[in-house]
Amino acid sequence: DADVTQTPRNRITKTGKRIMLECSQTKGHDRMYWYRQDPGLGLRLIYYSFDVKDINKGEISDGYSVSRQAQAKFSLSLESAIPNQTALYFCATSDRPRTSYNEQFFGPGTRLTVL
Amino acid sequence: LAKTTQPISMDSYEGQEVNITCSHNNIATNDYITWYQQFPSQGPRFIIQGYKTKVTNEVASLFIPADRKSSTLSLPRVSLSDTAVYYCLVGDRISNFGNEKLTFGTGTRLTIIP
Repeated sequence: DADVTQTPRNRITKTGKRIMLECSQTKGHDRMYWYRQDPGLGLRLIYYSFDVKDINKGEISDGYSVSRQAQAKFSLSLESAIPNQTALYFCATSDRPRTSYNEQFFGPGTRLTVL
Repeated sequence: LAKTTQPISMDSYEGQEVNITCSHNNIATNDYITWYQQFPSQGPRFIIQGYKTKVTNEVASLFIPADRKSSTLSLPRVSLSDTAVYYCLVGDRISNFGNEKLTFGTGTRLTIIP
């Protein structure tokens, strides 16, 4: 089974609708992240969380909110979806930097289309 | 955050060694250099990380000169399956309670030609 899972994998919604993307991980990591990727562009950080009680904005948090329900779950919400939020969304996790590696583990992505 | 610059795209033939260079002129003392690989419609995958000189693993080598203002990812004897986007990231490795914002730029799109 995949260590980082995202649901749904694909979603088409309409402008103004509320939508939630969910991420679950079995790696036991404290840190979780949400990114979006637009065609031909790199990933941009939306929100990140270092533990259940910690939520931080990334570079493009406007229009998004998150909830860290448990160590293993981190949800991203679009309160009122708009077409320019059409993108590929990735969830990622990382352990505390106990070693020399600061590796992030990514989920398979959710392709969101807002009409 | 240290900004990185890498070529937008590269082509190479199968069996060749490929070197992708990344510039990071304002790298900080505590910053590490990390490379990720991304296949279409998949999340990025960690390849290698280093601080100085040379690091080698089963997938790639990373060369970092003494001034650390650039780094080179080396992929030996590439195959078609190495066609992907490669991202160079620079950021502080250790920060238990601080920011850990690794910025993914646009990356280098590597295409392997048969």
